[in-house]
Amino acid sequence: DTGVSQNPRHKITKRGQNVTFRCDPISEHNRLYWYRQTLGQGPEFLTYFQNEAQLEKSRLLSDRFSAERPKGSFSTLEIQRTEQGDSAMYLCASAASGADTQYFGPGTRLTVL
Amino acid sequence: KNEVEQSPQNLTAQEGEFITINCSYSVGISALHWLQQHPGGGIVSLFMLSSGKKKHGRLIATINIQEKHSSLHITASHPRDSAVYICAAADSNYQLIWGAGTKLIIKP
Repeated sequence: DTGVSQNPRHKITKRGQNVTFRCDPISEHNRLYWYRQTLGQGPEFLTYFQNEAQLEKSRLLSDRFSAERPKGSFSTLEIQRTEQGDSAMYLCASAASGADTQYFGPGTRLTVL
Repeated sequence: KNEVEQSPQNLTAQEGEFITINCSYSVGISALHWLQQHPGGGIVSLFMLSSGKKKHGRLIATINIQEKHSSLHITASHPRDSAVYICAAADSNYQLIWGAGTKLIIKP
């Protein structure tokens, strides 16, 4: 499968714990996006990388959230001291340079108890 | 006012009916996307439009740049078309500004 992959697909954690998600984009894509989708809502933009540079961060992304893309390939999204309000589907998408179409991964569903 | 608005929010129709979902946007865009999300499923990109009209099977998407309006049409609708359809406007950095989605149910 050469599409966008995300791991884990599901994560259940207790409030206050740290969690980390991984996204592997399509190999030749240099742009990578993270979104969050809560139940019944459309996805919200979180952050965007071009290669290894994090070019934009949403105001939604509190200081408990950090994202990295150290080698310009896979990316990780870490949430520290999780809260119940962090429960959502976390989506990753990638796109080729100069192209508009974003390809979405299956998402990681986070449940914070 | 949301920057991307879709209507209707919910739509229930009988199999075979012609379906139209509308999207209006108030921001400058480089392209407009139509995406599909099945319950519990991932998001699939259906169309990316910057002008005119595109067709894929029974799906047709149109955009009027001057009026800042796009429509998604489904001909000969089928229960398997039941899903949430999302309109998203891509800004100059290709970041997507999402509409709230239209939940479509096609009854057999």
